[in-house]
Amino acid sequence: NAGVMQNPRHLVRRRGQEARLRCSPMKGHSHVYWYRQLPEEGLKFMVYLQKENIIDESGMPKERFSAEFPKEGPSILRIQQVVRGDSAAYFCASSPPGTRNTEAFFGQGTRLTVV
Amino acid sequence: GENVEQHPSTLSVQEGDSAVIKCTYSDSASNYFPWYKQELGKRPQLIIDIRSNVGEKKDQRIAVTLNKTAKHFSLHITETQPEDSAVYFCAASIQSGGYQKVTFGIGTKLQVIP
Repeated sequence: NAGVMQNPRHLVRRRGQEARLRCSPMKGHSHVYWYRQLPEEGLKFMVYLQKENIIDESGMPKERFSAEFPKEGPSILRIQQVVRGDSAAYFCASSPPGTRNTEAFFGQGTRLTVV
Repeated sequence: GENVEQHPSTLSVQEGDSAVIKCTYSDSASNYFPWYKQELGKRPQLIIDIRSNVGEKKDQRIAVTLNKTAKHFSLHITETQPEDSAVYFCAASIQSGGYQKVTFGIGTKLQVIP
């Protein structure tokens, strides 16, 4: 089991460009969470997805940000028209199906730098 | 929604001493409390967790306590070693609508001085 895979590890974008961050959950996991970590800050919840469904996007900015988890392929966090304030580490985590609270496994993160 | 507060934000201890990190949560429905360790530039990794039906859990040099009445939980690291230096996050998890929502504390940067 390769674990949660995120790519790219590092991404540099100019202001106004689009950023696409990918996350492949662990095998057998159907729950995907995206978190943003700003320098010297904690992990802020952004969105929770299951296959083909956005379950909770209460932490996602209303504009420019979107997420999807298609039936096939990785989950994608998309940031349109990036601004300097979007520079952060974005972590994806996955957990197995079921109703019991359990450990979330994190990917290595994507460090986005907006120049 | 859930609010998790974590103290202190930074902590320096001498090698061999103990370190204690404290967290409080606001939602009494939270029933799962994981602790994650994040080394510089790496992913957060679970080091220990506790469920609401348990008051204390220990794993070698690491222990976690939970006081449901007061809504606080703590991480205790004994006999600290330089490799314990990292950022530690507490979290509170609520089972809601068939999935778990995890709220993290702001993190504690632990430095163990050799």
